[in-house]
Amino acid sequence: KQEVTQIPAALSVPEGENLVLNCSFTDSAIYNLQWFRQDPGKGLTSLLLIQSSQREQTSGRLNASLDKSSGRSTLYIAASQPGDSATYLCAVPNTNAGKSTFGDGTTLTVKP
Amino acid sequence: DTAVSQTPKYLVTQMGNDKSIKCEQNLGHDTMYWYKQDSKKFLKIMFSYNNKELIINETVPNRFSPKSPDKAHLNLHINSLELGDSAVYFCASRRTDSGTGYTFGSGTRLTVV
Repeated sequence: KQEVTQIPAALSVPEGENLVLNCSFTDSAIYNLQWFRQDPGKGLTSLLLIQSSQREQTSGRLNASLDKSSGRSTLYIAASQPGDSATYLCAVPNTNAGKSTFGDGTTLTVKP
Repeated sequence: DTAVSQTPKYLVTQMGNDKSIKCEQNLGHDTMYWYKQDSKKFLKIMFSYNNKELIINETVPNRFSPKSPDKAHLNLHINSLELGDSAVYFCASRRTDSGTGYTFGSGTRLTVV
């Protein structure tokens, strides 16, 4: 059974800092890995999707890496801004059409 | 132009009532999901349909019944609502043959009083 862990559960940083969020998974036979952002009271917005054959994906100030052999993915946020404050979740599909296992999220607060 | 739309956005109802939440996607995806997010913000899968066929049915009370009239719609009907059913319910979809990721709806906040 796939287990997904996100550390830390909460993170508070001053504006402008670069930061890394971690996502670990126990079963490395994954199809892809997806990072989401969730604002309070809102739905999930997809940030980055990394296929199992890829090592990283970049979008603006965000960079996500994937190391299947060690069961880890990281989300790097450069030059953090108060607008980045949200909960960040990673999701790992167990099979192509099957369900994803979600981490419990890292709640990020960027202070002005 | 909303890709995955859920209705209603908010639902407040009394215990014992029966209610439905509707979900529609216009992305041409072949698989749709219902997820439940509880007060602790943990996101758990409930059901998944692929081309109108049920493929995932997690351990949820049989008071919850999904219905997929076609590939673009997946509705969730809940009978005899209980206080513990209060949560945010998210619909999601994806296209499984192209390795795309999930697209989520904005959620339905259900409050049972």
